[in-house]
Amino acid sequence: GAVVSQHPSRVICKSGTSVKIECRSLDFQATTMFWYRQFPKQSLMLMATSNEGSKATYEQGVEKDKFLINHASLTLSTLTVTSAHPEDSSFYICSARESGGLYTEAFFGQGTRLTVV
Amino acid sequence: AQSVTQPDIHITVSEGASLELRCNYSYGATPYLFWYVQSPGQGLQLLLKYFSGDTLVQGIKGFEAEFKRSQSSFNLRKPSVHWSDAAEYFCAVGAPESGNTPLVFGKGTRLSVIA
Repeated sequence: GAVVSQHPSRVICKSGTSVKIECRSLDFQATTMFWYRQFPKQSLMLMATSNEGSKATYEQGVEKDKFLINHASLTLSTLTVTSAHPEDSSFYICSARESGGLYTEAFFGQGTRLTVV
Repeated sequence: AQSVTQPDIHITVSEGASLELRCNYSYGATPYLFWYVQSPGQGLQLLLKYFSGDTLVQGIKGFEAEFKRSQSSFNLRKPSVHWSDAAEYFCAVGAPESGNTPLVFGKGTRLSVIA
């Protein structure tokens, strides 16, 4: 089956620094990728929809300037957490559905555990 | 708008016992339905999916789910639970007509398995 690779799986950074998370679709093209955030013992909350070649669409309440999304190619989307603070510590997961297809399932990356100290 | 309700936050079952996790959805037409499993600190693994055809869907690891349109439900079942099934289970709904829309997830059900 299709694979979505997310990197890094775990990162610890100092408060005030920026962290970039990559999400790659390995064997299919994804015009659209999705970024979710998951707090401990909670469900996945959609943060933004990443669109190849255009601006991302952010969900209400998600700061665009803090969570920068770039979708430069059909197989790569990046999420950069800028000026990270401890409250940004969370589990971030990306997802992609194959472009142009109907009834396509969503494939998920392995997730990135971000800890801001 | 799409929504998913998983009424049970936490379920504990004995190893070898049967399991049913409930999922109700809200969607204007026939949705695309999924069950995912997540182990601690891991991403999501697809257990099974439904978009048309036979309403009883077989998945991996011995799981199955039944789509009941009249009840807007898509409950997950397993006849005999193994200790390795302990995890978080998420039901999700998607719009089948568009591959560019995200899935909407329920809040999840945590499954504990006791000896």
